[in-house]
Formats: sequence, C-alpha cells, structure tokens
Amino acid sequence: QVQLVQSGAEVKKPGASVKVSCEASGYTFTGYYVHWVRQAPGQGLEWMGWIDPSSGGTDYAQNFQGRVTMTRDTSLSTAYMELSRLRSDDTAVYYCARDGPSYTALTYWGQGSLVTVSS
Amino acid sequence: DVQMTQSPSSLSASIGDRVTISCRASQSISKYLNWYQQKPGKAPKLLIYATSSLQSGVPSRFSGSGSGTDFALTITSLQPEDFATYYCQQSYIAPRTFGQGTKVEIK
Repeated sequence: QVQLVQSGAEVKKPGASVKVSCEASGYTFTGYYVHWVRQAPGQGLEWMGWIDPSSGGTDYAQNFQGRVTMTRDTSLSTAYMELSRLRSDDTAVYYCARDGPSYTALTYWGQGSLVTVSS
Repeated sequence: DVQMTQSPSSLSASIGDRVTISCRASQSISKYLNWYQQKPGKAPKLLIYATSSLQSGVPSRFSGSGSGTDFALTITSLQPEDFATYYCQQSYIAPRTFGQGTKVEIK
C-alpha cells in the first residue's frame, strides 16, 4: 500500500532553515510528483509546490519562491522540502502528498511534520 | 493564480440534514475540482476528484457537481463522523490553490 512517512517535529529560530523529509513506499517513487502543502495553526491549506522525482524538476508557489527548495533522493525514495529564512508565521504543519493513479488530486498524504519557529 | 472561494465559511447542521458547500473559481477550471475532508490533528482526506468522481471507500452520501467556475459538494443525511472542515482545490493549473475551508459543526 502507498505510504508517505515524514520526519518528526522541529523547533527552529527565526532566520534559520528547516528540512523536512518524506519517505515513499508501496509504489514506484519516480512515477508520481510529490507535492508539499502546509497548514498554519487554525488556518487553511496552502499548496507550496511539487517536485518530479524522476527529473528533479520543480514548480514552486509564488509565495515561497526564493525561500523553498524541493529535492529528492531516488535511492532512498525520499523527497525533501527545505524552507529558509524562517519567520514566526512559517510555524505550521507541513504535509507531503501524492496524486492518485490516474487523476490530479492529492490522494495519499504523509502524517504531517510540525515546524515551530520561535526565538 | 486561480482564486478559490468557498461558502459558507462555517455552518451548523443536525444529523440527517442535507448540506451543500459551494466553491467558486476565479476562472474556468474545467472539471479539475477536488474536495477534501479534514478532522482536527489529521491529514486531509480526498473525498471527490474531477468534480464528481467519488474516491474509493468514501460513502455515497457525498457527491460533487458543477463545471467551469461553480462547484458544489453535497452531503445527504449528515452523519456524526461528517463533522469536519471541507476544502475544495483546483488541479487545473499550478499553483493548485485551495479554498479557505468550510467548517461543518453540530447544531
């Protein structure tokens, strides 16, 4: 079965960077884009971007351009999302997710990784 | 970017009620509209994809409709486990924007 398992919670200081991992299993990792979505406390869902694990190609939402980097390690079937120059309003749960087998909807989700930015 | 606007932002309903949530896109997105359910502390769960296709395992009391810019999620006969927040999302073009969410509460 498809599983996406994310790294644990992190506490970071303003200005630092954080790197969240998402290990995929149960399917061919290079066959599907990995998307990243975040949710600030009590707020809605915000799509951050995606990475194509096959080519390494990425597409980032404008709000995160210049601060986010999505990478992957195909040997580990793992995708990474790094966010730099952290601010307090980056405190959120970060999710990785994957589309369905034949449709563009986020069907499989990781469990979420809480990133807290605090001095 | 395509802006997605949901209405209402919240609603109160009773068990057995029929509930409809609307979602409007700022431009045509064809049929590329998805609905998710989220409960506190959990990852979102896909309910409906491509406007009206029911995700495997989702009860048939959930249905989706619409096209172009106006879409709706309907829950017939609301059940206790349906109290949650619902989000629409367009997958027509990047960025794959979400609506702001609709919280369904118990009356």
